[in-house]
Amino acid sequence: DAGVTQSPTHLIKTRGQQVTLRCSPISGHKSVSWYQQVLGQGPQFIFQYYEKEERGRGNFPDRFSARQFPNYSSELNVNALLLGDSALYLCASSAGMNTEAFFGQGTRLTVV
Amino acid sequence: GEDVEQSLFLSVREGDSSVINCTYTDSSSTYLYWYKQEPGAGLQLLTYIFSNMDMKQDQRLTVLLNKKDKHLSLRIADTQTGDSAIYFCAERFSGGGADGLTFGKGTHLIIQP
Repeated sequence: DAGVTQSPTHLIKTRGQQVTLRCSPISGHKSVSWYQQVLGQGPQFIFQYYEKEERGRGNFPDRFSARQFPNYSSELNVNALLLGDSALYLCASSAGMNTEAFFGQGTRLTVV
Repeated sequence: GEDVEQSLFLSVREGDSSVINCTYTDSSSTYLYWYKQEPGAGLQLLTYIFSNMDMKQDQRLTVLLNKKDKHLSLRIADTQTGDSAIYFCAERFSGGGADGLTFGKGTHLIIQP
C-alpha cells in the first residue's frame, strides 16, 4: 500500500505568486491535515479536512486555503506568497477523527 | 495556548541509551506522540501513548508519561548510527471540531562512535 504522497517535492516561486500543493492520503483514510514546518522549528497546524469539510484552522492568514476532493485527496493553496512562506509543507493522513496521523515526505517551497 | 518544549540537542555514544525529554501544557491531551525526522524527509510516527498509561514499550523504544508533571520521555536502547535524526514530541489537541497535533521544536540526536 502506498503511504501519503505529496507533489511536487520541491518548488521555487517568486514573491506575490500563487502556489498549489497536492496530497493523496493513505487508501481508506478520510482525514487530511496540512502543516507548515519552517527551518529549525516543529511543524505547525494549518488545516484539517475530514469528509471534504474544513474541521479546523490554525493561526494562518486567509492567503492560505485548502480543499478536499471526493476521493479524499487535498490541495493547499497559498496566494500572494511572502518570503516567510518558505518552508516544508507536510500533509498528514488519518483514518478518521482522533486517530494516528501519518505524514508524507513534504513539499519544500522556496519563495525568492 | 498549548506549548510543547524539548531540549534542542542530545549527544550519546553508540550502544548507549538515549533519553529524550519533553514537557507539554495541555492537561486534556488524550494522546502524546513521538515522531522521527531524518534529513530532508517527512515525519515518521515512532510510537504514542494514551494519557491513562504510565509506560509503553515497543522493542528498543520505551515511553514514560508523568501526567502530574506533564512530562514525557522517549528512551532508545542500544542507540545506533541509524537513530541519528530529529525527534519531535507532539500532543493531540481537540477543539472547535478539529483535531491536530502541537509539536515541540525537536531534539537533534547526535550519535558519537
